[in-house]
Amino acid sequence: GNSVTQMEGPVTLSEEAFLTINCTYTATGYPSLFWYVQYPGEGLQLLLKATKADDKGSNKGFEATYRKETTSFHLEKGSVQVSDSAVYFCALSGPNTGNQFYFGTGTSLTVIP
Amino acid sequence: ETGVTQTPRHLVMGMTNKKSLKCEQHLGHNAMYWYKQSAKKPLELMFVYNFKEQTENNSVPSRFSPECPNSSHLFLHLHTLQPEDSALYLCASSPTSSGRAKDEQYFGPGTRLTVT
Repeated sequence: GNSVTQMEGPVTLSEEAFLTINCTYTATGYPSLFWYVQYPGEGLQLLLKATKADDKGSNKGFEATYRKETTSFHLEKGSVQVSDSAVYFCALSGPNTGNQFYFGTGTSLTVIP
Repeated sequence: ETGVTQTPRHLVMGMTNKKSLKCEQHLGHNAMYWYKQSAKKPLELMFVYNFKEQTENNSVPSRFSPECPNSSHLFLHLHTLQPEDSALYLCASSPTSSGRAKDEQYFGPGTRLTVT
């Protein structure tokens, strides 16, 4: 079946620290992979995506590379800011998932000055 | 208004009440979705509508009743809910619900529902 597993939080970092949030997936076929971000009091926003193996999605200093061999899509940022404090969701969707998006449980990130 | 809006933002209801959640999208999309977000659990897809037709019902209890009168509006009618139904209910839209177009989902801010 299809599923997404991401690291449990919460994660607390100091400003300018390096961020990694791990995400691995199980899927049939070749899904697209996504990272969504949810700021307090808001809905989910698409942060970045990758649609095929070895693609790198990037946005706002965040990056994630679609690794088929390790079935992973880890989110990274070289230098986090206080404004990056939010909940981050890894997700997959694809031709074999019908109408479904499969989301992870979310990882809460707090960045302290 | 732009994007996806949801009203009310917060709702407290008793188990015998009937209430409705409203979602409106201003993006010209044809597919709309209801999700349930509970603490420590993945988002759960509840319903999908494509061109006003329901295309997905993920074994949702009948106390949740969706309605999609047109491609811009989506409602979730609630009656005789249970305390475990307390959650954040998110609405989303996408150009269509199939193919790559479904991958561009835009979410509303959600309605925080508390059932007492």
